Amino acid sequence: DVKVTQSSRYLVKRTGEKVFLECVQDMDHENMFWYRQDPGLGLRLIYFSYDVKMKEKGDIPEGYSVSREKKERFSLILESASTNQTSMYLCASSFFVFNTEAFFGQGTRLTVV
Amino acid sequence: SQQGEEDPQALSIQEGENATMNCSYKTSINNLQWYRQNSGRGLVHLILIRSNEREKHSGRLRVTLDTSKKSSSLLITASRAADTASYFCATDAERGGADGLTFGKGTHLIIQP
Repeated sequence: DVKVTQSSRYLVKRTGEKVFLECVQDMDHENMFWYRQDPGLGLRLIYFSYDVKMKEKGDIPEGYSVSREKKERFSLILESASTNQTSMYLCASSFFVFNTEAFFGQGTRLTVV
Repeated sequence: SQQGEEDPQALSIQEGENATMNCSYKTSINNLQWYRQNSGRGLVHLILIRSNEREKHSGRLRVTLDTSKKSSSLLITASRAADTASYFCATDAERGGADGLTFGKGTHLIIQP
C-alpha cells in the first residue's frame, strides 16, 4: 500500500514562530503537493513539486515556502506563523501529474495562537 | 481558483437508498476524479474517469462524465452508514504553468441508520 505520512496530526504554534510540516511518501512518486483545507473553501493548492529541488506555486503560496531535498520528503514551511494560517494541511503524492490518482496523508491540523 | 463545484453541499438519506452527487467544472480537463474524506482525515481516492470516457463503475459507485456540459455525477447505490463522509470532485486542468488537482468544496453525505 502506498503510504503518505505527515509528521503530526495536531500542532499548536505561537504567532511569529517558524513552523515545519513534514511529509514522507514511500512509493517513489515524482510529484508531491501541499494543500490547505478550510470550511467553506475546500482544498486549495499551496505548492507542489515534480522533482527533487523543484517547486511550483499553487493558488495560495503567500506566507509559505517548501523544500524538497529528497524525492520521498516534501516539507512545508511557515516562515512566520500567523493566526490566519490556522487550518488543516494535507500532503499528497502521485506518480504522474495527469491521469493518475493522488494519495493523501492523514492531515495536520495546525492551530496558531 | 475553484474548478469543480459539487452539488448539493449537504445530503442526508436513509441507509439503503441511493445517493447522487454532482460536480460542475469550468475548463477543459484530462480527467476527473472523486475522493472521499472521513471527518478529520485525509482524502481517499475513489474513482478516476478520463475525458474520453462517459461512465465508469467501481463496486457500488457509478460515475458519469459529460464533457459537453462540463459536469460529472457520482452515484452510490445501496448506501451504508460507513458511506457517511464528504465527497470531492477534482480535476487536473492546467493552471497556467502550475499543475495539480483542483478540488471542489465537497458534498457532505450523511447516511441515517
